[in-house]
Amino acid sequence: DTEVTQTPKHLVMGMTNKKSLKCEQHMGHRAMYWYKQKAKKPPELMFVYSYEKLSINESVPSRFSPECPNSSLLNLHLHALQPEDSALYLCASSQDAQQQANTEAFFGQGTRLTVV
Amino acid sequence: ELKVEQNPLFLSMQEGKNYTIYCNYSTTSDRLYWYRQDPGKSLESLFVLLSNGAVKQEGRLMASLDTKARLSTLHITAAVHDLSATYFCAVDERNTGKLIFGQGTTLQVKP
Repeated sequence: DTEVTQTPKHLVMGMTNKKSLKCEQHMGHRAMYWYKQKAKKPPELMFVYSYEKLSINESVPSRFSPECPNSSLLNLHLHALQPEDSALYLCASSQDAQQQANTEAFFGQGTRLTVV
Repeated sequence: ELKVEQNPLFLSMQEGKNYTIYCNYSTTSDRLYWYRQDPGKSLESLFVLLSNGAVKQEGRLMASLDTKARLSTLHITAAVHDLSATYFCAVDERNTGKLIFGQGTTLQVKP
């Protein structure tokens, strides 16, 4: 099983709403990632969790709040977003976040988020 | 800070032709990846290149890595329309766990 599953696939939310994106993997990977991708741009790293601890926060605004309840799950809690936060949000996982052979990152299908 | 640059950013080519996409990166790294992305879709892993001189081939695509030159190439042989997509290279930043992407190359293969 080399699958990273993200839900929902699409989400439309108002600027006062609170919502959550979910990501799940059962590959035994110990590193999980959130990326944001705007149209016609490369993915931009937001957060890295390594062994269920937040190891990297790329200066992401606090309206995005990550959570890693266990080694298989990664959530991204959203609150008071702005229209410019509309994007494709990608979750990924890899065996380990640090230098090690074969830490290839596997990406989920993404959540297309629209903030209205 | 690691920077990754691809060129060209846009490539329109005829079916049956050959072409190469280049990926340069600015600091030493041990791993380079190529991904394909179709419009509105996620990233599909194509190749993982782990060492200097590594060459991998899958169908009409061949990727290589020269760590001394900090350069990877993705060579397309006898392009077909199904290869139309955006191709990203990405490089592991040593000791940080960050995967840094190039800008992407949008490939359009015309019949």
